[in-house]
Amino acid sequence: DAKTTQPPSMDCAEGRAANLPCNHSTISGNEYVYWYRQIHSQGPQYIIHGLKNNETNEMASLIITEDRKSSTLILPHATLRDTAVYYCIVRLYSGNTPLVFGKGTRLSVIA
Amino acid sequence: DAGITQSPRHKVTETGTPVTLRCHQTENHRYMYWYRQDPGHGLRLIHYSYGVKDTDKGEVSDGYSVSRSKTEDFLLTLESATSSQTSVYFCAISGLRDNEQYFGPGTRLTVT
Repeated sequence: DAKTTQPPSMDCAEGRAANLPCNHSTISGNEYVYWYRQIHSQGPQYIIHGLKNNETNEMASLIITEDRKSSTLILPHATLRDTAVYYCIVRLYSGNTPLVFGKGTRLSVIA
Repeated sequence: DAGITQSPRHKVTETGTPVTLRCHQTENHRYMYWYRQDPGHGLRLIHYSYGVKDTDKGEVSDGYSVSRSKTEDFLLTLESATSSQTSVYFCAISGLRDNEQYFGPGTRLTVT
């Protein structure tokens, strides 16, 4: 079973920041938080990952609470192409560990 | 794109027939995975491989077998397809030090 809890759906106005929450209250000390997204039946796409510090890349920012029990993925200026299902995944820091997907959050960006 | 192809991309088959799906990579990555995705579910792991001839079962492996005789190809076989195996199948790859898994475009399989 997935070790994360996410809202099933969210809406965001185009051009605004999209903030996607994730709860992972049972995360252990050596587990990272990963985010993937899946755009309309395509294969999932990696977005970002982090351990305890906030992370930023060209796609998004990841804010992890100090107790590491929850996190927020931020898309700073959402576009229509960001409409997708976003998956928050907790896993060990290893490229070869299989991913355990939950149902994710369906983000709809509205013009 | 991460150099992953899946074939066929679409297939319709009858119950009881054998089906083989192919995942091909050009990245020389060690790890390869097969997932399935059904409506209302996230992806679920079927089998994975951590090297040539080295494979292991995932969460939903019943009714599936895999083979990996060379680094670039990972085959998923349904020995006798059932309607419950109607799904979209995704292949993924990752390297020894990668933080990411790269996914293929998927194969849509319908078993009638």
